[in-house]
Amino acid sequence: DAKTTQPPSMDCAEGRAANLPCNHSTISGNEYVYWYRQIHSQGPQYIIHGLKNNETNEMASLIITEDRKSSTLILPHATLRDTAVYYCIVSPNQAGTALIFGKGTTLSVSS
Amino acid sequence: SAVISQKPSRDICQRGTSLTIQCQVDSQVTMMFWYRQQPGQSLTLIATANQGSEATYESGFVIDKFPISRPNLTFSTLTVSNMSPEDSSIYLCSVPTLAANEQFFGPGTRLTVL
Repeated sequence: DAKTTQPPSMDCAEGRAANLPCNHSTISGNEYVYWYRQIHSQGPQYIIHGLKNNETNEMASLIITEDRKSSTLILPHATLRDTAVYYCIVSPNQAGTALIFGKGTTLSVSS
Repeated sequence: SAVISQKPSRDICQRGTSLTIQCQVDSQVTMMFWYRQQPGQSLTLIATANQGSEATYESGFVIDKFPISRPNLTFSTLTVSNMSPEDSSIYLCSVPTLAANEQFFGPGTRLTVL
């Protein structure tokens, strides 16, 4: 079973920041937080991951609370193309470990 | 990164028949994963396919229903056997990278069983 809880849906205006929360209160010490997204009719796409420090890449920022029980994915300037289902996943950082998907958050970006 | 292709991209099948889905990767990978995504649902792991050994199936999935082949390090097939309408789903394969447990997913095969 998935170890994360996310709101089922969120809305965001184009150009604004989208902040997607995730609860993972039972995360283990060796588990990372991963974010993937699935645009309609496509396979999931990796966005970002982190252990305990905040992370940023060209797609997004990941903010993990100090107790690691929750995190927030931030899309700084959402566009219509960011409309997708966003999945927060906790998993050991071991190459070859299968990902266990929860229900995710459907983000709708509108103009 | 890895480029993954799947064939067919979609198919409509009659109940009781079988369909074999192909997954081709542009690089050699030891491990491949097969997922199912039922309509409106999230992804569920079916099995892990290692080259040179039997696939490992998750709870609720059995080899007789979803036989998997892994003849080499760039290719795998998943067969959906004796199909029923409940098997209507998107089937996706994925491969992990060597670092950071990032996975690349194929585009999926959309299966409709009538």
